[in-house]
Amino acid sequence: EIVLTQSPGTLSLSPGERATLSCRANQNVRSLTWYQQKPGQAPRVLIYGTSSRASGIPDRFSGGGSGTDFTLTISRLEPEDFAVYFCQVYGFSPPGYTFGQGTKLEIK
Amino acid sequence: QVQLQESGPGLVKPSGTLSLTCVVSGGSFSGTNWWSWVRQSPGRGLEWIGEAHHSGTTNYNPSLKSRVTVSLDMSKNQLSLKLTSLTAADTAKYYCVKHLGLTFDSWGPGTLVTVSS
Repeated sequence: EIVLTQSPGTLSLSPGERATLSCRANQNVRSLTWYQQKPGQAPRVLIYGTSSRASGIPDRFSGGGSGTDFTLTISRLEPEDFAVYFCQVYGFSPPGYTFGQGTKLEIK
Repeated sequence: QVQLQESGPGLVKPSGTLSLTCVVSGGSFSGTNWWSWVRQSPGRGLEWIGEAHHSGTTNYNPSLKSRVTVSLDMSKNQLSLKLTSLTAADTAKYYCVKHLGLTFDSWGPGTLVTVSS
């Protein structure tokens, strides 16, 4: 079973700063998806296939990594970027989808 | 742009059965898309429940498999979830989701379900 561990749990930064969020898997995975969730809303996809931005996502969001270590980078934080971010993968044994526990990005 | 809207009872009793429906508009169940239910609670985070394809194929989270049924009604453009033997641990917000490949690319707003007597 794939387990995803996100770090840090909470990240406190100011607008304009760079944010780097980590997602680590307990086994090699092929690719990873990142979601953003704001209070009272459903998650929305930001990055799929590890590094491809979803439609309408600004280019300040970028994803990278391979194997067991993946990152989401927000180059310059805008006020609307403060939210909770989740990573997600598909595993084959057993088959199914797994989410990380989330990183809360808060205004410092 | 596909839109999804969940509906169901907000409160269900322990040991009972939860039945939720999701109406899909602006899209079709045919093709390569899969459709899932995902739930979210403070204690368990985001948890995939199960998925269905218009071919009739379904897959379930092993931890819930014995209690879950996910189905598609093509004539009504509806996705359904049935979850039996409820406990307080099943209290969560339940989302209806469309897949694009292995990514959940469209989500409904979610419906909150509380399991309590």
